[in-house]
Amino acid sequence: DVQMTQSPSTLTASVGDRVTITCRASQSIGSWLAWYQQKPGRAPKLLISKPSSLETGVPSRFSGSGSGTEFTLTISSLQPDDFATYYCQQYNDYPYTFGQGTKLEIK
Amino acid sequence: QVQLQGSGPGLVKPSETLSLTCIVSGDSISTYYWSWIRQPPGKGLEWIGNIYYSGYTNYNPSVKSRVTISVDTSKNQFSLKLNSVTAADTAVYYCARDRGPGSGYFDLWGRGTLVTVS
Repeated sequence: DVQMTQSPSTLTASVGDRVTITCRASQSIGSWLAWYQQKPGRAPKLLISKPSSLETGVPSRFSGSGSGTEFTLTISSLQPDDFATYYCQQYNDYPYTFGQGTKLEIK
Repeated sequence: QVQLQGSGPGLVKPSETLSLTCIVSGDSISTYYWSWIRQPPGKGLEWIGNIYYSGYTNYNPSVKSRVTISVDTSKNQFSLKLNSVTAADTAVYYCARDRGPGSGYFDLWGRGTLVTVS
């Protein structure tokens, strides 16, 4: 299985900050990576795939980049609605696997 | 508007079989792959497996010996059966639309069904 490792596990930031979450794969997954946002009690929401294609309706302050084994999700200016947990997911190979999550907290 | 509605018992006894169904509304189930994903309380996400309308399946090796995913195209729904459950199978179970090979991300999710094994 491809292991996905996110860092940091917890990130404390303020409204207006620029933040970056990193996702590393245990082997090359090409560009086959997606990012999700999950709020408590809710299903995850797809933000980005492929890994820089923004899903329709997702604010442009979200962006994704990377290829091979290292990927990043950047939020250019945090808004109150962005405080949530973020997951990366690889779909280069079965079984699909997720990172352990990054919890974004308000400072 | 496409929606996924998962349903099934919220409580299952140890060693018994967990059974969930997901009804797809607003789109034909014959268009995409369909996945089951679970999340233990307070933990991360685990992909269980997926199915195409033809019945072709892929399973996570972590549960492959215990899981069956099936599809009923006449009812536009797909189902999950997980047998010999233990407390470790307690989780919120999500059904999701899977874009399929080469695009295996999940762009539509059901609300999730909490299944407790006890």
